[in-house]
Amino acid sequence: EAGVAQSPRYKIIEKRQSVAFWCNPISGHATLYWYQQILGQGPKLLIQFQNNGVVDDSQLPKDRFSAERLKGVDSTLKIQPAKLEDSAVYLCASSSPSGANVLTFGAGSRLTVL
Amino acid sequence: QQQVKQSPQSLIVQKGGISIINCAYENTAFDYFPWYQQFPGKGPALLIAIRPDVSEKKEGRFTISFNKSAKQFSLHIMDSQPGDSATYFCASGGTSYGKLTFGQGTILTVHP
Repeated sequence: EAGVAQSPRYKIIEKRQSVAFWCNPISGHATLYWYQQILGQGPKLLIQFQNNGVVDDSQLPKDRFSAERLKGVDSTLKIQPAKLEDSAVYLCASSSPSGANVLTFGAGSRLTVL
Repeated sequence: QQQVKQSPQSLIVQKGGISIINCAYENTAFDYFPWYQQFPGKGPALLIAIRPDVSEKKEGRFTISFNKSAKQFSLHIMDSQPGDSATYFCASGGTSYGKLTFGQGTILTVHP
């Protein structure tokens, strides 16, 4: 079984620039999550999708962050404009309907904002 | 947001020793308590998980102990090995909504 794919693995940008991260979940996994992991901290949920609908985006800074999941498969997380405090690893995870709590994570996309 | 508090922040043990990491949760509606293991440059990977209908679950060298009344659970790693050196995260969630709330993490170092 192929894992959760994420790209790019690394991105360095200047503050106020924009960046986009892509995620391809495990085939058949209806639920997709984006987590933010700041260095030295645990992952924090940004947004949860069920198929292509948003289940929870209560912790997504909507003034600068946006996410979409087209056709209930791939997802894109965008930050515009980026701030210094957005420097973090952005983790994508997915889960299947039969194992709703069992999250499988991708390797993450490391963002550095200068 | 309901918190999950994890301790210690870091832990150093000798090869063959026992590693113990503790976690406390707030939301009594949570009914799923996993531990994730993360190596540098990788995403977290599920290690072991427990539901509150049992007080202990063992898988190989890894054991979760669960105390529902205290709202605490812990991870015990028996016969710790250098390959166990990683960051460990406890988490909690509800079966009905899938998402997990993570602790701050514990950096475990096992010396040969």
